[in-house]
Amino acid sequence: GAGVSQSPRYKVAKRGQDVALRCDPISGHVSLFWYQQALGQGPEFLTYFQNEAQLDKSGLPSDRFFAERPEGSVSTLKIQRTQQEDSAVYLCASSLDFSGDNYGYTFGSGTRLTVV
Amino acid sequence: AQTVTQSQPEMSVQEAETVTLSCTYDTSESDYYLFWYKQPPSRQMILVIRQEAYKQQNATENRFSVNFQKAAKSFSLKISDSQLGDAAMYFCAYSSPGTYKYIFGTGTRLKVLA
Repeated sequence: GAGVSQSPRYKVAKRGQDVALRCDPISGHVSLFWYQQALGQGPEFLTYFQNEAQLDKSGLPSDRFFAERPEGSVSTLKIQRTQQEDSAVYLCASSLDFSGDNYGYTFGSGTRLTVV
Repeated sequence: AQTVTQSQPEMSVQEAETVTLSCTYDTSESDYYLFWYKQPPSRQMILVIRQEAYKQQNATENRFSVNFQKAAKSFSLKISDSQLGDAAMYFCAYSSPGTYKYIFGTGTRLKVLA
């Protein structure tokens, strides 16, 4: 596609509910990144994929967070047993190069998750 | 660990005037990349400008330019001839080669006054 597409745009979840957030990167972009942006803060790194391989998941806050990219294109970020502190905007980005250093990231518009 | 600091939570500029947004960072590395991203209310972050640390020359993209002071670890963004469409949150970001992640500052909200 022409850009990075994320869905849903908004998600309200009851505490304890599982959620799945989808990211459809730009076709041909090998790298995919997930970031979490709390209200009034800058984005914080969650995880990184190079094609289908998850090479870094050091930013995932707990074992309730899980991400996958099984065919090296679409990625899903899953949060199990959501808690109020999970409320944030979840941003997905893709890059033509492995690191994002040479061309920068192309970001999606994010999913705003509110846990009530 | 590397850190990125944006000390101006909010800035205002008159339309057609020039404004400078500040960013400082802390690192012990000599090779790295620095970025400025713009985030409008639509939430989609857009790359404004990119700087490679080993290049002395300051990056420029049309009305946007940076003042990169490596020794001072400073990377400010200058916006010339400000337009109403420049109003947004601006984030400074740092990347170290091989780490595959960016470290972002907390952002500066830019208001453009007509």
